[in-house]
Amino acid sequence: EPEVTQTPSHQVTQMGQEVILRCVPISNHLYFYWYRQILGQKVEFLVSFYNNEISEKSEIFDDQFSVERPDGSNFTLKIRSTKLEDSAMYFCASAKVNPNYGYTFGSGTRLTVV
Amino acid sequence: AQTVTQSQPEMSVQEAETVTLSCTYDTSENNYYLFWYKQPPSRQMILVIRQEAYKQQNATENRFSVNFQKAAKSFSLKISDSQLGDTAMYFCAFMKHEANSKLTFGKGITLSVRP
Repeated sequence: EPEVTQTPSHQVTQMGQEVILRCVPISNHLYFYWYRQILGQKVEFLVSFYNNEISEKSEIFDDQFSVERPDGSNFTLKIRSTKLEDSAMYFCASAKVNPNYGYTFGSGTRLTVV
Repeated sequence: AQTVTQSQPEMSVQEAETVTLSCTYDTSENNYYLFWYKQPPSRQMILVIRQEAYKQQNATENRFSVNFQKAAKSFSLKISDSQLGDTAMYFCAFMKHEANSKLTFGKGITLSVRP
């Protein structure tokens, strides 16, 4: 069964450093998302992406965050200057044609900012 | 704005027994979708079951079924014949009926299945 692949599975970075979290969505999917889950808390929406542009972003997704689909397959989330409170599990998800049927999530990247 | 509430932080069930996980939500929308996602220790979010608000019939997927009460804004998940592999965090989630809509999740409930 096709999967959404995220790399790395765990990343440790120093506060103030830039990180790029990578995702390879399922190949014929059209809608892409990033969510995050701070340890022990609920999963929160960050951003949705369709037709090579951001469709919607949450208040969490401030100027420190950006997304790109650089080569038609990868979907990246960049955090420019990480803060301690960015430590969380970051999930990428994709949907084929109609997101109302639910997404396929990746296994997540655990980001630890020290 | 939509909210999803899962008031039970954790539950435990004996293997082979039945357990029900509760979820309530608040919305002014008339058409929407509701989901249950499972998050095992591997941390991946796995879709368990989906309900369309305009369908009165409760969704079922093998051992998993829902009790959808639209007027009460309640969406509970019943797991029959619980298995050890059902041990996981379970999240209830809401999605508006619109293009490219996001999921709004509840806080989740930790389910432990005892052998």
